[in-house]
Amino acid sequence: EPEVTQTPSHQVTQMGQEVILRCVPISNHLYFYWYRQILGQKVEFLVSFYNNEISEKSEIFDDQFSVERPDGSNFTLKIRSTKLEDSAMYFCASRVSQAYEQYFGPGTRLTVT
Amino acid sequence: RKEVEQDPGPFNVPEGATVAFNCTYSNSASQSFFWYRQDCRKEPKLLMSVYSSGNEDGRFTAQLNRASQYISLLIRDSKLSDSATYLCVVNNPGRRALTFGSGTRLQVQP
Repeated sequence: EPEVTQTPSHQVTQMGQEVILRCVPISNHLYFYWYRQILGQKVEFLVSFYNNEISEKSEIFDDQFSVERPDGSNFTLKIRSTKLEDSAMYFCASRVSQAYEQYFGPGTRLTVT
Repeated sequence: RKEVEQDPGPFNVPEGATVAFNCTYSNSASQSFFWYRQDCRKEPKLLMSVYSSGNEDGRFTAQLNRASQYISLLIRDSKLSDSATYLCVVNNPGRRALTFGSGTRLQVQP
């Protein structure tokens, strides 16, 4: 069964550093998403991406965040200058065009020290 | 009012029990509804979509009540492996994002 994959599984970084989180969505999916989940809190939407552009973003997704699909398979989330409060699990998700079910990757645990 | 509201639990039930979770949503125009399951520190996994007519998948039954804006999940014959957090998820019109509830924790005990 096809799966969304994410790397790395755990990233530790110092405050102010840039991080790039990587995702490989399911191959025939066209819509891509990033969500985050701070420990003990609910899953929160960050951004959606379709047809090589951002289609929706939340208030959390400020100028420090950016997304890219640099080639036909990878989908990345960059945080330019990390803050302590960026520590969370970051989940990538994808879906096919005609269905609403989103499938999630295993997540990257980001720890900012 | 929260967009998607769930009782956090925990629900502690013995193996073999039947347990039901409810969830309410605030946007009457919400279009799509799902139950996801999340194990500790893992990703949400789609359990089932919720259709207007209700739907069943093995031991799991989901119901939607649009008039009262709530969704339910019934688990029959609980197994130890059902222990997890169950997330009520809604997709609102005009939005690509999913909106998650905070989840209901289920602990099935031997």
